[in-house]
Formats: sequence, C-alpha cells, structure tokens
Amino acid sequence: DVQLVESGGGLVQPGGSLRLSCVVSGFTFRTYAMGWVRQTPGKGLEWVSSISGNGVHAFYADSVRGRFTISRDTPNNILSLQMNNLRAEDTAIYYCAKDRLDFGASWTHWGQGILVTVSS
Amino acid sequence: ETVLTQSPATLSLSPGERATLSCRASQSVGTYLAWYQQKPGQAPRLLIYDTSNRAAGIPARFSGSGSVTDFTLTISSLEPEDFAVYYCQQRTNWSWSFGQGTRVE
Repeated sequence: DVQLVESGGGLVQPGGSLRLSCVVSGFTFRTYAMGWVRQTPGKGLEWVSSISGNGVHAFYADSVRGRFTISRDTPNNILSLQMNNLRAEDTAIYYCAKDRLDFGASWTHWGQGILVTVSS
Repeated sequence: ETVLTQSPATLSLSPGERATLSCRASQSVGTYLAWYQQKPGQAPRLLIYDTSNRAAGIPARFSGSGSVTDFTLTISSLEPEDFAVYYCQQRTNWSWSFGQGTRVE
C-alpha cells in the first residue's frame, strides 16, 4: 500500500524556520512527481510546491517563492520542505501528496497532514 | 494564476438525490481538471482526474465532465457517505490551484 507520513511540524515564531519531511513507501518514488499542499484550519486548500520525479524541476506558489525550498532524497524515499522566514499566514496543515504521474496534474495519495503554527 | 470558482458554496440535498457541482476557471485549463472529496479531519481524496476519469476505487455514481473553462462533478444518487466538501483543482503553466470548495450537506 502507498503510504506518506509527514513529520517536522510544530510551533515557530515569525521569521523562524522549519523543515517538513514526508517519508513514503509502497511505490517507486523516483517515478512520480510530488507536492506539498496546505490548508488553513477551517479554510480551503492551497498548493504550495511541486517537484519532478528526478528532482530537477521545482515549482512554487507566489506566496512562498523565495522562502520555501522543496527537495527529495530518492535513496531514502523522503520528500522535504524547508520553510524559512515564516509568517503568521503560513499557519496551516501541510500535506505531502503523490502525483498521479511525473507531473500528471493531480494527486492520488496524500499524507495525514502536519500542523505548522507560526506565532509569537 | 488561474482562479477556480466553485458553485454553489453549499448544496443541501437528501440521500438518493442527484448532486451537480460546478467549477469555472478564469482561463482555459485544457483537460487538467481534478475533483477531490474531503471529510472533517481527513486528507482530500482524489475522485476524478483529467476532467472525466475516475480514480482507482471511486464508485461509478461519481462522474466528471466539461472542457476549457467550465466543469461539472455529478453524483448521480447521493449515499450517506457522500456528504462532504468537494474541491476542484487545476494545473496550468506549472502552477496549481484549487477552488474554494462546495459543501454537500
């Protein structure tokens, strides 16, 4: 079975940094693009970032570009999101998600989500 | 950025009724339109990809249609477990976005 398990969330002060990780299993990691999607409590979904199967191509939402960096460790089946200069509006549940293909434009499997709270 | 507008915001129906959810894009999204279902405390679940293809394990009562900028998710006969929030999602020019959601209650 496909599994995605996020970790690394928590409480951080504005301007601080946090690194999210997503350990995956049950599929050939390098074959699929991966992404991060966040959801503000009680609100809708917002795409954050995506990365190609080979890790060469990465894309970011305007709201996080220049502050967040997506990466993948293929040998260890880990997707990461380095978040710097965090703002209150980054407070959300962050989901890692497996693309249907290598950039197939939709996500077939999702992690359980991890809460990031940015507050002083 | 392509903006997706879903309507209605809330759909009040009874089990056995037909649900029709709309998603309109601010520009053409080709066929890269997907639909997700989300229940409280759970991650989204992919229902439909590329406008009209059901994801693995999705019942036949869910169907998607549309093109260019106007898309529809239809649930032919609501089951009790179908009452949830539904989101459409697109990818254009290497940017992804979601609609604001339709709650089926």
